[in-house]
Amino acid sequence: KNEVEQSPQNLTAQEGEFITINCSYSVGISALHWLQQHPGGGIVSLFMLSSGKKKHGRLIATINIQEKHSSLHITASHPRDSAVYICAVVSGSARQLTFGSGTQLTVLP
Amino acid sequence: KAGVTQTPRYLIKTRGQQVTLSCSPISGHRSVSWYQQTPGQGLQFLFEYFSETQRNKGNFPGRFSGRQFSNSRSEMNVSTLELGDSALYLCASSSWGLQDDEQFFGPGTRLTVL
Repeated sequence: KNEVEQSPQNLTAQEGEFITINCSYSVGISALHWLQQHPGGGIVSLFMLSSGKKKHGRLIATINIQEKHSSLHITASHPRDSAVYICAVVSGSARQLTFGSGTQLTVLP
Repeated sequence: KAGVTQTPRYLIKTRGQQVTLSCSPISGHRSVSWYQQTPGQGLQFLFEYFSETQRNKGNFPGRFSGRQFSNSRSEMNVSTLELGDSALYLCASSSWGLQDDEQFFGPGTRLTVL
């Protein structure tokens, strides 16, 4: 079993839909990162969380430390949101990033 | 501020050769991390440097090494290249490190080993 599991692996949505991507992890962590990767490889950091909830524009990220679970929400999705979304956790004392396998999101106009 | 830069962007090597990749972090950032991305294994952590010291290392063989200079620029070296080392190598920088703040990624170096 991987330390970081993401679901779904693939997601197709219509423009304007509300989207949720989930991330579950099995180890103790000190922080969790949500990343976005566009075709061509460029990676952008969306959020870093250690507790609670963060919001940036149409993006919202939440984390529940007790349940070892985080969600990334996109409101009013747009075709430019199409990308791979990756969850990564910083393991307790190890202080290294362990990545999920990513969620390929496609938003259709 | 200029973003994270990586050189070269593309590289072709043959088995058995060695390669050095360079990463220049955002000005003022003291932490630089390196990652390998392959279609089969996804993204994997290589190592993190902070103020010229390696703070942590992922599960890679000793052929993979790195260093950080006093200006925070970092290099990673892969010796005795194998076909499986073909990958996109990404570096990321931040002010204080992985568990303290967001990582800013460079565009990556795509290494092909023939």
